[in-house]
Amino acid sequence: GAGVSQSPRYKVAKRGQDVALRCDPISGHVSLFWYQQALGQGPEFLTYFQNEAQLDKSGLPSDRFFAERPEGSVSTLKIQRTQQEDSAVYLCASSLTGAQYNEQFFGPGTRLTVL
Amino acid sequence: RKEVEQDPGPFNVPEGATVAFNCTYSNSASQSFFWYRQDCRKEPKLLMSVYSSGNEDGRFTAQLNRASQYISLLIRDSKLSDSATYLCVVNAGNNRKLIWGLGTSLAVNP
Repeated sequence: GAGVSQSPRYKVAKRGQDVALRCDPISGHVSLFWYQQALGQGPEFLTYFQNEAQLDKSGLPSDRFFAERPEGSVSTLKIQRTQQEDSAVYLCASSLTGAQYNEQFFGPGTRLTVL
Repeated sequence: RKEVEQDPGPFNVPEGATVAFNCTYSNSASQSFFWYRQDCRKEPKLLMSVYSSGNEDGRFTAQLNRASQYISLLIRDSKLSDSATYLCVVNAGNNRKLIWGLGTSLAVNP
């Protein structure tokens, strides 16, 4: 099935390295969300795109985090100079429209471990 | 106070039991409410949206109390396959940002 896919599924980085996480949303979905989920916690909102426009990036924890969706489909979350506290599962979700009541469909996540 | 609060549990119940989870939210402007289910090491999946009038889907019933700012999820006749974490999700007022609770862990035992 053509669900949300994310790559890589697992990433181990040394502290200070840059990483790039990719999300392929469901084809035709307008909205795309990035979340960070630490162990034992619920997902924490990072940023939101409607098509190629980044409408909300209030959840990005620092300026080391950057997200883009240049053509309104695939999105990349980049983390520069990774720190140990960045270790988490990064979830991407998409929804059909921009309406707030739409179901969000999640990808399997990228588990990032920073050593 | 957290924006969305849930009892983390764990709730341990026998098969066939009825179990209820509550969730409170702080933003009175919130308009959309959901329960998501997350299995261990898996991504969250929508269980049900919560409507003002309350809604039922098989063994699952969701209720919304706007005056007290809480939502609830009732699971009847629990199955082993219901074992998971149940996440309460509320939108942050008039935008599309969703605020997630920590989740309530449920273990249904044979």
